[in-house]
Amino acid sequence: ILNVEQSPQSLHVQEGDSTNFTCSFPSSNFYALHWYRWETAKSPEALFVMTLNGDEKKKGRISATLNTKEGYSYLYIKGSQPEDSATYLCAFNAGNMLTFGGGTRLMVKP
Amino acid sequence: DAEITQSPRHKITETGRQVTLACHQTWNHNNMFWYRQDLGHGLRLIHYSYGVQDTNKGEVSDGYSVSRSNTEDLPLTLESAASSQTSVYFCASSESDSLLQETQYFGPGTRLLVL
Repeated sequence: ILNVEQSPQSLHVQEGDSTNFTCSFPSSNFYALHWYRWETAKSPEALFVMTLNGDEKKKGRISATLNTKEGYSYLYIKGSQPEDSATYLCAFNAGNMLTFGGGTRLMVKP
Repeated sequence: DAEITQSPRHKITETGRQVTLACHQTWNHNNMFWYRQDLGHGLRLIHYSYGVQDTNKGEVSDGYSVSRSNTEDLPLTLESAASSQTSVYFCASSESDSLLQETQYFGPGTRLLVL
């Protein structure tokens, strides 16, 4: 069983704050790292798929970086808004299946 | 529009009964997956399929089975439901990619309660 860890488990921020959280994964047998956004009572929705060391992806105010050599990825949200409140999941791909982290639950207060 | 659906959305059953959860996708994706979501565990892979007649065990496959007789459907069967299988079940699919670098698209989930 692969160890994929996310920290922190939960995070409360004020509207307008910028924030970031971490996904740690094994540094061997790396094929891809996926980020998903999961709103309560909905299905997980894909944010990014990252495949190369040093990858940086951006979608609006959300961006992610990838370091495959040390086994971590950061997700950044600039100027958090209440609609950013969700659980953010990362998933490590060793070539045959995705192993998900436990998620970081973000709550943005107006 | 192409989509992935699950049925039922909610199910209550009794210990020992056989239960089948349906998953249907209209994207013509070769890869399909079943996950369960429990507090403190995130999403854990139960079974997956890379194509018709192909099925594979995931991390938590005991007590579950799947079959893939066509591209669109991957039903999940609980052979003899146990209270430990009370969970929210998500089906997902992705395009054919041997390295699974494609995004997985998730269904709306089925909430199962085993009494």
